[in-house]
Amino acid sequence: DAGVTQSPTHLIKTRGQQVTLRCSPKSGHDTVSWYQQALGQEPQFIFQYYEEEERQRGNFPDRFSGHQFPNYSSELNVNALLLGDSALYLCASSSTSGGVAGTQYFGPGTRLLVL
Amino acid sequence: AQSVTQPDIHITVSEGASLELRCNYSYGATPYLFWYVQSPGQGLQLLLKYFSGDTLVQGIKGFEAEFKRSQSSFNLRKPSVHWSDAAEYFCAVGESGGYNKLIFGAGTRLAVHP
Repeated sequence: DAGVTQSPTHLIKTRGQQVTLRCSPKSGHDTVSWYQQALGQEPQFIFQYYEEEERQRGNFPDRFSGHQFPNYSSELNVNALLLGDSALYLCASSSTSGGVAGTQYFGPGTRLLVL
Repeated sequence: AQSVTQPDIHITVSEGASLELRCNYSYGATPYLFWYVQSPGQGLQLLLKYFSGDTLVQGIKGFEAEFKRSQSSFNLRKPSVHWSDAAEYFCAVGESGGYNKLIFGAGTRLAVHP
């Protein structure tokens, strides 16, 4: 049973560019959450997707957007990259039942470096 | 607002010694509580969780944690530490009965001396 997978593992971009990160949830999970973890910091919640809709968002600008596909996989898009967007981007999947999201299981992350 | 405090930024223990990592939370109701472990450059691995019921929860790798409502704490313990336990440990609180957005503490970095 595959866990949460993310691609790519590493990425280097320059300021102003756009980037797309991808996540496939654990088998049986229907909810995907994204977190940003700057070096030496704790993860910060970006947003959560369920039934192909963003249902909760953290304190991140509109440059951060996402999408969830019918197969529950998800993408995180970041436009107009800033140096401060350099971080480990973590995807977590969970199962929602009765509107309540369960335990989140994390993928290995995508390391983004913005030059 | 929800918050999590991990008072110890770094902890060093000797291999075979016992371990306790502290976590205090602020939340209006009974929260969901989690401990995750992260090795350098890796994702987060779930060690254990508390939703309700028995306040002493067992996790993987020999870890356990105790929920104490009166102290708003959820401390992580292990009776005998192994060198492979060296990592960053994060305590997190999730919204109970909701979308379970996780709020993390700042983490505790554990070093293990041989």
